[in-house]
Amino acid sequence: GAGVSQSPSNKVTEKGKDVELRCDPISGHTALYWYRQSLGQGLEFLIYFQGNSAPDKSGLPSDRFSAERTGGSVSTLTIQRTQQEDSAVYLCASSSTSGSDNEQFFGPGTRLTVL
Amino acid sequence: GNSVTQMEGPVTLSEEAFLTINCTYTATGYPSLFWYVQYPGEGLQLLLKATKADDKGSNKGFEATYRKETTSFHLEKGSVQVSDSAVYFCALSSNSGYALNFGKGTSLLVTP
Repeated sequence: GAGVSQSPSNKVTEKGKDVELRCDPISGHTALYWYRQSLGQGLEFLIYFQGNSAPDKSGLPSDRFSAERTGGSVSTLTIQRTQQEDSAVYLCASSSTSGSDNEQFFGPGTRLTVL
Repeated sequence: GNSVTQMEGPVTLSEEAFLTINCTYTATGYPSLFWYVQYPGEGLQLLLKATKADDKGSNKGFEATYRKETTSFHLEKGSVQVSDSAVYFCALSSNSGYALNFGKGTSLLVTP
């Protein structure tokens, strides 16, 4: 079956512009996660959704970052007024449950470059 | 808070050599432990996991044992192949059960 998909695969933007990154989780997966992978920081957790609710937004680095999920499926991560330090690969993952031993299935990521 | 420390790479080995990638963790409670692998040009994939102390996860010839007494989850393989060249990430999932805390990753290059 289809895995987690993300779009776009690459995004180049100018400093100060807003960007939207999209994630389509595996069908039926109730939990969805956003992570950021950057050279200096490794893999960082950003936000978690259970259904359409986000019980934990603690990983969002600033108020320029927001995310939503609709219909218990697609999620959008929005970065406003992008900065050069936002350049990274943004990864989305989904899992069938949110238990501690859940397997998270990752998408291929969106590589964001802020000039 | 929770954290994962893994040995820094890159690790370069000849084909058929023995592999160990060290991973230690700090966590409250009883986390689940994972190894994820990222092959060149591909996304992260789960390699193996262990959910309680003394459990051994295994897959594709790789093994790791959850050692609570040493807070470790070292990855081993008896005989590596060129196709094992990838970046390996150790991770833990806390009792709250969602976010994964990752180590910084260890790059492995296996040469013929």
